Order: sequence, then structure tokens, then C-alpha cells
Amino acid sequence: DAGVIQSPRHEVTEMGQEVTLRCKPISGHNSLFWYRQTMMRGLELLIYFNNNVPIDDSGMPEDRFSAKMPNASFSTLKIQPSEPRDSAVYFCASSPYISDTQYFGPGTRLTVL
Amino acid sequence: AQSVAQPEDQVNVAEGNPLTVKCTYSVSGNPYLFWYVQYPNRGLQFLLKYITGDNLVKGSYGFEAEFNKSQTSFHLKKPSALVSDSALYFCAVRADSNYQLIWGAGTKLIIKP
Repeated sequence: DAGVIQSPRHEVTEMGQEVTLRCKPISGHNSLFWYRQTMMRGLELLIYFNNNVPIDDSGMPEDRFSAKMPNASFSTLKIQPSEPRDSAVYFCASSPYISDTQYFGPGTRLTVL
Repeated sequence: AQSVAQPEDQVNVAEGNPLTVKCTYSVSGNPYLFWYVQYPNRGLQFLLKYITGDNLVKGSYGFEAEFNKSQTSFHLKKPSALVSDSALYFCAVRADSNYQLIWGAGTKLIIKP
């Protein structure tokens, strides 16, 4: 069975541009989590969904960040406009149930110049 | 408030020797405890978890962890280290009343031949 799929794996963009990160959770999983990892702040939870509904977005740093889950097999994290301080590795994780073990994707390394 | 501490930024162990990566936690209520491993440029991989039951939990790749309620610890152990165990290890905790995982800062494990 395929694991969590994220695209692109690497993204380099210029400040002010819109960035869209994509995630396909493991089939049958009901919950999806977006994380950001940096050296300075470690692993931060940005937002999570249960049955495609956003449950908690308190970790989203600013209004420039938005996330959607239009169906059970796809989610996006959008940054508009992007800034250099958004440079990080962004992970998507899914779990069978919201309280169950989370399984991570390979991550998207975002560099904003 | 929930918190996780991994007191060692780095642990160095000779190949073949036993290893321990430390984790202590603070939660209200019953803890759900997890260990994940991250290899360079990869996502986090689930190793093991403690929910309830036997205090000694066995996981992937020969790792195990011991839950100690009185010391609020959940140390990761392996009887004989391999060079391939070298990676970044994360401890995470959540309370039974909360779906959000709280992550430790990570411990870099270096196994020397």
C-alpha cells in the first residue's frame, strides 16, 4: 500500500509568489495533519482535518496560510504571498482515526528567496 | 500544559553497545506516548507507541521503550546498536482528552563503527 504522497518534493520560489503544497493521504485514513519543520522551531502542527473538516487551525502562523481538504484523498496547503521566513520542510501526515498513529509523507522542502 | 523533553541533543554510542534515548513528559490525565525516527531528507517513521497495558513496548527495528509513570518517562532503548540506527529520534505525547501531539525537540543518535 502506498504511503502518504506529497508534491512537489522541492519548491524554490521568490518572495511574494503563491505556493501550493499537495498531499494525498493513505487510502482509508480519516484524519490528516499538516506540519512544518525548521531548525529553530522544530516540528510544529499547523492544522488538522477529520473526515475532511478542519478541526484546529490554531497553528497556522498567519492569514497568508490556508489549507483545504476537498475530499478524502487530497489536501492542499497554500501560502500567499510567500516570505523567506516560510522556508521550511512541510510534512503531511495521515491516521486511520484522529486519535491513532500518524504516518508521515516524505515532506516538501520549500525555499523562498 | 502538555510538554515533552528530550534532554540530550545528541547521543553517541559504539556499534554493538546498548543505546538509550531519553524522553520525559508532562500531561494531564493518561498519556499516549510515541517514538518516531527521521533519516536525513526523509519523513518521520513511526517506531512504537504506548497507550495502555504492559510498560515495556516493542517496536520496529529491534527498538523498545519503557513507560515509567512515576518518573513520567518513556525512554527508547535497543540492546545492540547498528550504524544504520544513526538518525534523528522524536518523542511525542498527547493526553487521552486531546488529539494534538506535542513533540520533543529531537535527539540525534550517532552510532560509531
